[in-house]
Amino acid sequence: SQQGEEDPQALSIQEGENATMNCSYKTSINNLQWYRQNSGRGLVHLILIRSNEREKHSGRLRVTLDTSKKSSSLLITASRAADTASYFCATGSASKIIFGSGTRLSIRP
Amino acid sequence: NAGVTQTPKFQVLKTGQSMTLQCAQDMNHEYMSWYRQDPGMGLRLIHYSVGAGITDQGEVPNGYNVSRSTTEDFPLRLLSAAPSQTSVYFCASSIRFDGEKLFFGSGTQLSVL
Repeated sequence: SQQGEEDPQALSIQEGENATMNCSYKTSINNLQWYRQNSGRGLVHLILIRSNEREKHSGRLRVTLDTSKKSSSLLITASRAADTASYFCATGSASKIIFGSGTRLSIRP
Repeated sequence: NAGVTQTPKFQVLKTGQSMTLQCAQDMNHEYMSWYRQDPGMGLRLIHYSVGAGITDQGEVPNGYNVSRSTTEDFPLRLLSAAPSQTSVYFCASSIRFDGEKLFFGSGTQLSVL
């Protein structure tokens, strides 16, 4: 079974709005990462947050991590059409990076 | 700097055939891994390697073999292809093995008839 589960599975918002995706996981981790996948392409790394961090920012991205609840959230502010993609969380522990099932984000013009 | 290169991009096999998916990286990364992605799903880890000569199983290793004779190359072998192995396969690497960010290849779309 997959380590991470994203919520919601699909999200459609208006351009300019903020998008929030959540990830829950099951076991202890060293870090949690978020990736983006455009249709038919490989995954691109967005941001990594370590288990001893609570919040991290990168441009329009904000990631939070709550290890007590085994959950993380990804916030994309001021969404753009180019943000339309699938977003995956991935948990890193020891030698394995395990991916969740993803959130499909659609930005309406 | 090519990054992670996968070949072929597309492949069609008949049930029972064998083949090797190639993966090469030119970043001197210690860690390499193979994932498969089925429609509408996330990636599942097949096998991974923390360095030359060292490989280990991931979540879904059955039906696949790997080897890591050099730092650069990490081929994935399908021993006897089955329709259930129809998927998109991604190779990924990272600078070291303790869960650092992955760099992905562009994927191989495999169909087994």
